[in-house]
Amino acid sequence: EAGVTQSPTHLIKTRGQQATLRCSPISGHTSVYWYQQALGLGLQFLLWYDEGEERNRGNFPPRFSGRQFPNYSSELNVNALELEDSALYLCASSLAGGYGYTFGSGTRLTVV
Amino acid sequence: KQEVTQIPAALSVPEGENLVLNCSFTDSAIYNLQWFRQDPGKGLTSLLLIQSSQREQTSGRLNASLDKSSGRSTLYIAASQPGDSATYLCAVRHTGNQFYFGTGTSLTVIP
Repeated sequence: EAGVTQSPTHLIKTRGQQATLRCSPISGHTSVYWYQQALGLGLQFLLWYDEGEERNRGNFPPRFSGRQFPNYSSELNVNALELEDSALYLCASSLAGGYGYTFGSGTRLTVV
Repeated sequence: KQEVTQIPAALSVPEGENLVLNCSFTDSAIYNLQWFRQDPGKGLTSLLLIQSSQREQTSGRLNASLDKSSGRSTLYIAASQPGDSATYLCAVRHTGNQFYFGTGTSLTVIP
């Protein structure tokens, strides 16, 4: 069974540009979660999608947005990139109910 | 709002020692609690998942316990090895389906 896959592995962007990160959940998982982990900091919750709907979002500005497609894959978009957006972005998927998370390996975004 | 705390924030032990990592949470309305390991710059690897109705789970040298009524979980690592060096995170899944993470314990096992 394939795990959670994220692409690209690394992404380098210039300040002010837009970044698009992608996540494919484990087959059958309907929920996708996005987290930001800046260097030396803990996981910060970004977004939660389930069955194509945004269920919750963390304390991030609106320039962080995303969507979930009918096949449950998800995209995270970051507009007007700032230097402090440089971080490891992690995606996780889960079934609803009493199940755990499975994480992908992350996308390392560097803003220069 | 659920709050998850992990103590200690950092721990350094000699190889071979047994150790305990602690996780506490404020709201007992949870589906489960999950322990993860994170190596520097990498994603999270699930170690153990304990359902709310369970008291403990074991995998190899790892044993995790859950006391939902007191809002506590422990991760016990037996006979620690240098390869166990990593950050260990606990996460609780609230019955609202939201996950909440602790800030982690950074473990260093000295050869």
